[in-house]
Amino acid sequence: DGGITQSPKYLFRKEGQNVTLSCEQNLNHDAMYWYRQDPGQGLRLIYYSQIVNDFQKGDIAEGYSVSREKKESFPLTVTSAQKNPTAFYLCASSIMEKDTQYFGPGTRLTVL
Amino acid sequence: DQQVKQNSPSLSVQEGRISILNCDYTNSMFDYFLWYKKYPAEGPTFLISISSIKDKNEDGRFTVFLNKSAKHLSLHIVPSQPGDSAVYFCAASPKEGVSRASQKLVFGQGTRLTINP
Repeated sequence: DGGITQSPKYLFRKEGQNVTLSCEQNLNHDAMYWYRQDPGQGLRLIYYSQIVNDFQKGDIAEGYSVSREKKESFPLTVTSAQKNPTAFYLCASSIMEKDTQYFGPGTRLTVL
Repeated sequence: DQQVKQNSPSLSVQEGRISILNCDYTNSMFDYFLWYKKYPAEGPTFLISISSIKDKNEDGRFTVFLNKSAKHLSLHIVPSQPGDSAVYFCAASPKEGVSRASQKLVFGQGTRLTINP
């Protein structure tokens, strides 16, 4: 089955630790995205990547880092510099030149 | 600055009736609009979209209307079913120059729709 997978579903970390969220897609999509959702708010773009080995900052990139070494993978690292890391993180992908993005199931990160 | 706004945080509708979800935008460069449906603890699911060259797009029970002059779009669900209970997000895509390569979607805050039996 084609789709986007995110792991783990729930993640707990201590304050001050870096943590990496996984996102994999087998849809052969070129573009991949990371969003963050907080209660009562819409999705806010953290980083996006249109091709391998290239990525751009979104609206709230501070405290986050990404890599795109393979077309199918776009991991997100939440660093200790991120002031409010507890949130629901969503990964998405799309075909280049198409606007519809398809989302993974999300990872809920809780920093204790 | 909220470029895409969904002013109703929640909406309650009787089963079988019409649900109307509204979305307003401020950026005149937006030329493609999408609606997503989201259940708790899951990723959003694409529902329906509309290009700015159209004013209506229909897919089964779902119809999206676009009023460019008012910078307003709405999603109509008829008839509403219990499984439609979810949070609905509207999103907009800006056309930046001649390239769509950035494909950045701007999302509204969402409207929680509850369908009552």
